[in-house]
Amino acid sequence: GAVVSQHPSWVICKSGTSVKIECRSLDFQATTMFWYRQFPKQSLMLMATSNEGSKATYEQGVEKDKFLINHASLTLSTLTVTSAHPEDSSFYICSAQMGEWDEQFFGPGTRLTVL
Amino acid sequence: GQNIDQPTEMTATEGAIVQINCTYQTSGFNGLFWYQQHAGEAPTFLSYNVLDGLEEKGRFSSFLSRSKGYSYLLLKELQMKDSASYLCAVRDSNYQLIWGAGTKLIIKP
Repeated sequence: GAVVSQHPSWVICKSGTSVKIECRSLDFQATTMFWYRQFPKQSLMLMATSNEGSKATYEQGVEKDKFLINHASLTLSTLTVTSAHPEDSSFYICSAQMGEWDEQFFGPGTRLTVL
Repeated sequence: GQNIDQPTEMTATEGAIVQINCTYQTSGFNGLFWYQQHAGEAPTFLSYNVLDGLEEKGRFSSFLSRSKGYSYLLLKELQMKDSASYLCAVRDSNYQLIWGAGTKLIIKP
């Protein structure tokens, strides 16, 4: 149980385009989903926290207009990187949590390369 | 500020035992997590401690002392596949997870 999927697993796009990444909890309802970014050989960096039906809470330094998060249902959250640039190239990982006392289950990650 | 400290890198021998330490200073405490992350992959959950003491799960054990702000992850009978980064994370009073930078564990034959 507690499986989280992400799609796509990797994407290459041109600078200036937008990319949407989906995160789904497959066998449980996630009250909260998290979006992380990880650069090579660095630790996870939390970008934002989203609760179903409400606006995401962004971490300091993360541009909410650039990284659009939609948590449409208890099993789906999307991250859209708008007007992507090469510096946005990174490993984006989502996680989902059933309740605030539960552990986070991570998706397999999406590797974004912006040319 | 909030801080999680763990060693950057450790090396151990196949079949041996290794202990990865984690110290923390956070705004409140609602549990400590250990995750394993292989290179290029997402983290996977290993253990959770909220009360003092040792939690054992197969070859892996995790210990917590809340008064000392200290935890360790103990890996026994090391296997080559245990080569990975091990992330310590503490849930603070706002139920936010504060992440350590991770410890890269290198297993040698």
